[in-house]
Amino acid sequence: QKEVEQDPGPLSVPEGAIVSLNCTYSNSAFQYFMWYRQYSRKGPELLMYTYSSGNKEDGRFTAQVDKSSKYISLFIRDSQPSDSATYLCAMRTNTGNQFYFGTGTSLTVIP
Amino acid sequence: DADVTQTPRNRITKTGKRIMLECSQTKGHDRMYWYRQDPGLGLRLIYYSFDVKDINKGEISDGYSVSRQAQAKFSLSLESAIPNQTALYFCATSDLARGETQYFGPGTRLLVL
Repeated sequence: QKEVEQDPGPLSVPEGAIVSLNCTYSNSAFQYFMWYRQYSRKGPELLMYTYSSGNKEDGRFTAQVDKSSKYISLFIRDSQPSDSATYLCAMRTNTGNQFYFGTGTSLTVIP
Repeated sequence: DADVTQTPRNRITKTGKRIMLECSQTKGHDRMYWYRQDPGLGLRLIYYSFDVKDINKGEISDGYSVSRQAQAKFSLSLESAIPNQTALYFCATSDLARGETQYFGPGTRLLVL
């Protein structure tokens, strides 16, 4: 079983839609959770960073962590064509040196 | 200027050749990482370094070696390249103050024929 599971998509939505991206994980010791956005032929860039449980909002983006279900989500409100990219989740424990990445979900926002 | 740079951006080589991928950063971070990215497999850690004197193997280090020449420079070598090493390679640094959030370079696309 992989440490982190992420539906690869592809996901296609109309402009203005609310997008929900998700990851599940198996290691209950994970405490740090990140979401990255990766445009084609570019390196991943950090979108959101959350420690432990709860919600975090930044503009149109909201990250949620549900540790009881071992489930994290990224919501994008009022999606724009510029949001078209691959979204990667990543996580690690308090003491671990390694990040575990999901395989990424490909998102296309259609104008 | 980019905080994390990688050279070359693209490389084609032949089986058996030794090649080096280079990474430089201006973020001032001590920790640096090398990953490879393959379709359907995501990002996998090859090596990481917490300072100039500290080098650690990651999940898939076989066939690779690294050198940390300075705080700002971390190189990845393929001793004898094989087609299975065709992938997108990323260098990253991490910010200890933000849970070691990773900052990635633009990537090197490597093709081994």
